Amino acid sequence: DAKTTQPTSMDCAEGRAANLPCNHSTISGNEYVYWYRQIHSQGPQYIIHGLKNNETNEMASLIITEDRKSSTLILPHATLRDTAVYYCIVRVGETSGSRLTFGEGTQLTVNP
Amino acid sequence: DSGVTQTPKHLITATGQRVTLRCSPRSGDLSVYWYQQSLDQGLQFLIQYYNGEERAKGNILERFSAQQFPDLHSELNLSSLELGDSALYFCASSVDSSGMQRLYEQYFGPGTRLTVT
Repeated sequence: DAKTTQPTSMDCAEGRAANLPCNHSTISGNEYVYWYRQIHSQGPQYIIHGLKNNETNEMASLIITEDRKSSTLILPHATLRDTAVYYCIVRVGETSGSRLTFGEGTQLTVNP
Repeated sequence: DSGVTQTPKHLITATGQRVTLRCSPRSGDLSVYWYQQSLDQGLQFLIQYYNGEERAKGNILERFSAQQFPDLHSELNLSSLELGDSALYFCASSVDSSGMQRLYEQYFGPGTRLTVT
């Protein structure tokens, strides 16, 4: 699996956009980028994933650079409930085992 | 609510004992995963089952075992418990259809907090 690098922590003001970066410079052509978050001691929550095109859903947007070596998760209007650890994970879509490998992630704190 | 249920929510037991954690996946999901989260190790993959068969194994101790039943619920058995087994244990499930990428779109339960004293 490609290794990912994320900042340890970030702060964001409530109502502002939160932009969480992730570097994955060794990503292969068939590897997807997935984002999860974990609110304190709750089960991780799937947010979004993408391959090369930008993606948007009801929770967030995912921007992947053209060379695919980095991506940014955007929470357009952060709320206090978005305070969580955010994980960027790179995986190949395969059927022979589909474990998620969680790194340290980014602790996002949304401040009032 | 992810649709994945886990019981019990909390479990306190003594060293040397054996416990069973239970997980019911989302309706229609064939794959079940178990993860362990301890303070010093972070989130670690333990094992995956697909439609009753073991699909992948992570750093699961020999004292731990799991199975997936015909109704697709899964159980994680932890035996000869040690203090270091105290952790949050999460179960997750995913669809297993033609979209392989969706295998990594996993839905996690609320977890079972195990405390070994």
